[in-house]
Amino acid sequence: GQNIDQPTEMTATEGAIVQINCTYQTSGFNGLFWYQQHAGEAPTFLSYNVLDGLEEKGRFSSFLSRSKGYSYLLLKELQMKDSASYLCAVRDGDYKLSFGAGTTVTVRA
Amino acid sequence: DVKVTQSSRYLVKRTGEKVFLECVQDMDHENMFWYRQDPGLGLRLIYFSYDVKMKEKGDIPEGYSVSREKKERFSLILESASTNQTSMYLCASSPPAGGAETQYFGPGTRLLVL
Repeated sequence: GQNIDQPTEMTATEGAIVQINCTYQTSGFNGLFWYQQHAGEAPTFLSYNVLDGLEEKGRFSSFLSRSKGYSYLLLKELQMKDSASYLCAVRDGDYKLSFGAGTTVTVRA
Repeated sequence: DVKVTQSSRYLVKRTGEKVFLECVQDMDHENMFWYRQDPGLGLRLIYFSYDVKMKEKGDIPEGYSVSREKKERFSLILESASTNQTSMYLCASSPPAGGAETQYFGPGTRLLVL
């Protein structure tokens, strides 16, 4: 089976940095995705990593270490609108994604 | 922009009823997926389809069936709804295999089975 772990909740202050960790043990690996999901809305794509290293996209960065089965999503210069759930997902073949339970980030003023 | 639409945002059904959840995508994607999302469990894959009339079981197919008669439409069927099927149901679509192509999600259907 697939096992993808991420913290349940995190709280941070507006303007700060938060790092959401994701560890995975899967039968295969063909890429790791991060999604953002606001309450009551659909998940939306944030980032994709398939090779080791850091991918930066504006205020958001994602890191992958395949040998350690580890990724993190870094959110910089936090804004109130960043309050959401962040989902880590691993693709283990051509199509299927296995998701972690999600991390709810609360940004406080 | 990819658009994935689902037939209802909220649905209330009674135990034993047959329930149809419809999903339509407008980007000619080959792959379509049905998930359910429950607190603390994340998204779990029920069924997916990689072509018209093709379907494969996901991680939790029991109590569900699917239909894909046209490329743009993927239906999830609860043959006899039960209270433990109360959940948020999310449909997604994606292009063919691999690469950075993500799945695109619909807005979800929140189903309550009484």
